[in-house]
Amino acid sequence: EVQLVESGGGLVQPGRSLRLSCAASGFTFDDYAMHWVRQAPGKGLEWVSGISWNSGTIDYADSVKGRFTISRDNAKNSLYLQMNSLRAEDTALYYCAKGPDGSGWSFDYWGQGTLVTVSS
Amino acid sequence: SYELTQPPSLSVSPGQTARITCSGDALPKKFAYWYQQKSGQAPVLVIYEDIKRPSGIPERFSGSSSGTMATLTISGAQVEDEADYYCYSTDSSGNHSGVFGGGTKLTVL
Repeated sequence: EVQLVESGGGLVQPGRSLRLSCAASGFTFDDYAMHWVRQAPGKGLEWVSGISWNSGTIDYADSVKGRFTISRDNAKNSLYLQMNSLRAEDTALYYCAKGPDGSGWSFDYWGQGTLVTVSS
Repeated sequence: SYELTQPPSLSVSPGQTARITCSGDALPKKFAYWYQQKSGQAPVLVIYEDIKRPSGIPERFSGSSSGTMATLTISGAQVEDEADYYCYSTDSSGNHSGVFGGGTKLTVL
């Protein structure tokens, strides 16, 4: 059974940093692309960033480019999101999501999310 | 930046067919994916690569795509299908940016 467990969320002041983690199990982690998707309170889904199985392909939404860094450690079956220069508009539930079989840039399984609140 | 457009809401009676549309300029070249999100829960994939249904998803869910529009069809909608539905795709510029539609709130009553 695929399991994705996010952690690292919390309350942080504007301008500060936070690092999210996602622990993966139930599949061969280094065979799949992984993504972060967020959802602001009461709003829709927003793709944040994705990383290919070997970290050779990485991309970001324009809203986070230059501030957020995605990475993965295949030996630890873990995905990360380093978030710097946080803004109030980054407040959201952050989901870790697994890429599909093949080369598609989409997601077939999601975690339950970790909440990030940016406020002074 | 690339956008996908969905109607904000749709209401049907139980047993009726619900059709949720998603329009985007790159859809003739890129696959559409559909996610169901019930209140307080993580999203679930219900259609991938325009028309394919994951295992465990009821047969009443189907997808189609023509030109710049993709459509999620729920044939004989059930009360338990009430949820937000999001389409997702990527742009055709050669980068790997993903984009979601704004979501459609489906009410079944």
